[in-house]
Amino acid sequence: DAGVIQSPRHEVTEMGQEVTLRCKPISGHNSLFWYRQTMMRGLELLIYFNNNVPIDDSGMPEDRFSAKMPNASFSTLKIQPSEPRDSAVYFCASSLDRGLEAFFGQGTRLTVV
Amino acid sequence: GIQVEQSPPDLILQEGANSTLRCNFSDSVNNLQWFHQNPWGQLINLFYIPSGTKQNGRLSATTVATERYSLLYISSSQTTDSGVYFCAGSSGGSNYKLTFGKGTLLTVNP
Repeated sequence: DAGVIQSPRHEVTEMGQEVTLRCKPISGHNSLFWYRQTMMRGLELLIYFNNNVPIDDSGMPEDRFSAKMPNASFSTLKIQPSEPRDSAVYFCASSLDRGLEAFFGQGTRLTVV
Repeated sequence: GIQVEQSPPDLILQEGANSTLRCNFSDSVNNLQWFHQNPWGQLINLFYIPSGTKQNGRLSATTVATERYSLLYISSSQTTDSGVYFCAGSSGGSNYKLTFGKGTLLTVNP
């Protein structure tokens, strides 16, 4: 398996623009996660999907952030409008089931100027 | 959620040296993972180890769940071992939610 695939790897955008990050989980995994890594806060969970259903979105910072999982092989994280404080590395991860080993994608480094 | 503390925060070694990294957690965990974040930012899975001992080459890990800690051993360190080592755990009803420690920054000099 190719592992968790994220795109793009790098994104530079201007403040106010919409940003969409994409993720393809490992085939057969029913749990998908979006994490964010910053120097100040470290790695933190934004949202968790199980069987394509959002289970826990308590980590989503505000309404500007939204995530969808239309099918078992694709998820998006959208920021609209983007702000400079959203600059971070965003990771997608998946696991066979909740509580089992999670595997991370290579991350998307987002810079909002 | 649980609290995860890692020590030491920084570690500098000469190539060939051994090291032990520690992870303490505030509650019982049912998922405990060790990761290596390389200089390119990738999070590489090292161990999934809610309890017991595992070995993979020069690396091994032990989790003592009853005492709420885990150890990562690196033997005969190499320059490619440099990077940040994270432990992450989850517990209870939120067993999907990995809480990460702040990491140990390891630098291995030639």
